[in-house]
This record gives sequence, structure tokens and C-alpha cells, in this order.
Amino acid sequence: SQTIHQWPATLVQPVGSPLSLECTVEGTSNPNLYWYRQAAGRGLQLLFYSVGIGQISSEVPQNLSASRPQDRQFILSSKKLLLSDSGFYLCAWSGDSFGSYNSPLHFGNGTRLTVT
Amino acid sequence: AQSVTQPDIHITVSEGASLELRCNYSYGATPYLFWYVQSPGQGLQLLLKYFSGDTLVQGIKGFEAEFKRSQSSFNLRKPSVHWSDAAEYFCAVGAQYGNKLVFGAGTILRVKS
Repeated sequence: SQTIHQWPATLVQPVGSPLSLECTVEGTSNPNLYWYRQAAGRGLQLLFYSVGIGQISSEVPQNLSASRPQDRQFILSSKKLLLSDSGFYLCAWSGDSFGSYNSPLHFGNGTRLTVT
Repeated sequence: AQSVTQPDIHITVSEGASLELRCNYSYGATPYLFWYVQSPGQGLQLLLKYFSGDTLVQGIKGFEAEFKRSQSSFNLRKPSVHWSDAAEYFCAVGAQYGNKLVFGAGTILRVKS
């Protein structure tokens, strides 16, 4: 069966420091991969998605970037964190674009990032 | 572009009581509709989904949802709530062909004993 791993679970970083969050998927090949950010009362905001190695699409302009160095690895990065980057970051995968009926989104357990 | 509205930010129900969480969507074509649940500090788990066919959809954990095209609604229901159902619930709408999955802002369910 497929599993998705996301780490770390929590992270406290000072303003201006770099960021690297990692997500890996097991048990499937060529998944579509996604990074979402969740803010209280605002639902989930899609940040990046990837349909293959090296293919990254950004949904919103921001201080973050994403990379997909391997088929089942998705990394969220920042060179210099801002206070506004604090939030709960969720990685997800699906077998089809954006989670179709036959292949919905499957989420990791998330990373709580606090920028101080 | 599609959108989702969950009118209730918080709902509190007594254990054993029935539950209905509201979801209204806006989308011009045939939508995919989903309900996800999120326990505190966790990722989201799929409860149920709808695309076509029977408008009453059964999901996991005893949940069901009814699609009403005339009202653009996809409300989630459970006949008897358990304390373990306390969580945040998200409705989402997607398109048939490779479009974005848009989430509502979520409804926090509290269960009182």
C-alpha cells in the first residue's frame, strides 16, 4: 500500500534562516505531488504541485520554492524565512492531476513551522 | 473557477446527537466533491467522495453526504456523533479534467459529553 512521509513534524526557525521540508511517497510510481499551507480559518492553500521529476508549478508568489529531485521526493525550501511563513505545511500525493474522483489526494501528517 | 463555502466555522453537538455540516460549492460543470477530516496536528483523511450516480454517498466512520445540484450543496451528515469525531472537516470541489482541488475554510466540530 502507499504511504506518505513528511518531516519534521514541528520546526521552530528564526527569521532569515533557511528552510527545508521533505516529503516522500512509497508504494507508487510517478505520483503527482503537492505542497499545501494551512492557516487557521482559511482552509488549505495550494503552494506548489509537480507532475514529474524536475517539473514544478507554483500557484502563488511567495518566499518559498519547491523541488522534486527524485520521482517520489518533494522538498519545500526557503533561503530566508519570514514571520509570515509560519503555518502548517501539508504534503500530498495523488495518482491523477489535482486529485480526481478515482485518485483523491492523500495527505502526510504535516509540519508545524513557527518562525520567530 | 470553482469555490467552496463552509458557512459554519465551529459547531458543537452532544455525543449521540445527529450532525450536519454544510457545504456549498460553485462550479459551472460537473463537480467532483469530497469531504476530508483532520484531527489536531494531523494530515487530512478522505471521508467520502461524489462524482455521479446516487446522490447519497456513504463514507467511512459512519458518515454520509448528500449532493443536491439545485442547491449547489454537499452536506455531510452522521446520525449519532461519537466523541472521537471531534476534528476539523473540510469540503473540497474539483473538476473532471485536471483542474485544481479547492478546499473550503473548514468547520471545527466539538463534541460535548
